Amino acid sequence: DAGVIQSPRHEVTEMGQEVTLRCKPISGHNSLFWYRQTMMRGLELLIYFNNNVPIDDSGMPEDRFSAKMPNASFSTLKIQPSEPRDSAVYFCASTPGLKSEKLFFGSGTQLSVL
Amino acid sequence: GENVEQHPSTLSVQEGDSAVIKCTYSDSASNYFPWYKQELGKRPQLIIDIRSNVGEKKDQRIAVTLNKTAKHFSLHITETQPEDSAVYFCAASKNFNKFYFGSGTKLNVKP
Repeated sequence: DAGVIQSPRHEVTEMGQEVTLRCKPISGHNSLFWYRQTMMRGLELLIYFNNNVPIDDSGMPEDRFSAKMPNASFSTLKIQPSEPRDSAVYFCASTPGLKSEKLFFGSGTQLSVL
Repeated sequence: GENVEQHPSTLSVQEGDSAVIKCTYSDSASNYFPWYKQELGKRPQLIIDIRSNVGEKKDQRIAVTLNKTAKHFSLHITETQPEDSAVYFCAASKNFNKFYFGSGTKLNVKP
């Protein structure tokens, strides 16, 4: 298995543009998490899904952020409109189920909003 | 919700010395405490973990201790090597539902 796959690896965009980050979890994993990493705040949980259903989105910073999981093998995190303060590394992680100990992280997407 | 604080934010040690990273948590119901290592430009990976029914766990040069009463846990790395240089994250979880991470410690091991 190739692990959790994220795309793109790097994204540079201008303020106000829409940004879509993509994630493919490990096959068979039922839970998917989106994290944002910044120098100041470390790893922040934005939202997580179980069996494609959003369980907790309390970490989503504001309405500009949205996430979907249309099927078991694909999830998106969208920012519309993007702002410079959204610049961060966004990680997707998956686990076999909600009660799993280990998070399997993707390689992350480095987002820069100019 | 849970609040995890991690110290120090940066740590520089000489090769061969020990390194200690400390975390505190706020929710006494948290019962699982993993540590992740993130090398430069790479994804975080689990290196060791401890459950609330255990006070200490060791794996070769790394060990983790947990004090439930004080609600703090620590990562200890002995005989540090340059390849230990990375960012280390602690986390706390209640029944593995959500993982709350600390802000990270950048460890630099000087050869």
